[in-house]
Amino acid sequence: NAGVTQTPKFQVLKTGQSMTLQCAQDMNHEYMSWYRQDPGMGLRLIHYSVGAGITDQGEVPNGYNVSRSTTEDFPLRLLSAAPSQTSVYFCASSYDRDSTDTQYFGPGTRLTVL
Amino acid sequence: GENVEQHPSTLSVQEGDSAVIKCTYSDSASNYFPWYKQELGKRPQLIIDIRSNVGEKKDQRIAVTLNKTAKHFSLHITETQPEDSAVYFCAESGGSNYKLTFGKGTLLTVNP
Repeated sequence: NAGVTQTPKFQVLKTGQSMTLQCAQDMNHEYMSWYRQDPGMGLRLIHYSVGAGITDQGEVPNGYNVSRSTTEDFPLRLLSAAPSQTSVYFCASSYDRDSTDTQYFGPGTRLTVL
Repeated sequence: GENVEQHPSTLSVQEGDSAVIKCTYSDSASNYFPWYKQELGKRPQLIIDIRSNVGEKKDQRIAVTLNKTAKHFSLHITETQPEDSAVYFCAESGGSNYKLTFGKGTLLTVNP
């Protein structure tokens, strides 16, 4: 199994541009989530999904959209990038349909918005 | 759970000493408390977790204790080694069970 994969690894955007961060898992996990990691702030939940077709907001959802059309994929869309969205983004998944299970993280995407 | 406070933010110990990291939470409905380790430039990985019906759990040199009355839980690492150097995050999953809230992390440095 490849586990949780994320693409791209690095990305530089200009303010106002849009892009999609890809996340996929091949473990048949129901729960998937997106976090952003900023220095001194820990990991903050952006959006999560408990299964295909179901998504909900986390702690810091503004400026981001998600969809879950399949069990495997959970893309994160930045609608109009802002410098405040410069961060490292981690996707995670777990087998159970909630957050009370081991979260398997992807390798992360380092995003810089100029 | 909406708020997790983690202390200290940095911790430096000598090899062989013990290290203790503490977290407090506010949601009395929280029932799941994992600890993640993140090495520099790597992804976070679960090292140990505890559920609300247990007061203590051990795995070799690592242990976690939970005090539900006081709403705090701690990570204990004994006989520390240089490879234990990393950032450690506590987390809690509250009554909704759908959101995992992380502390801000502790940078542990083990000096040889």
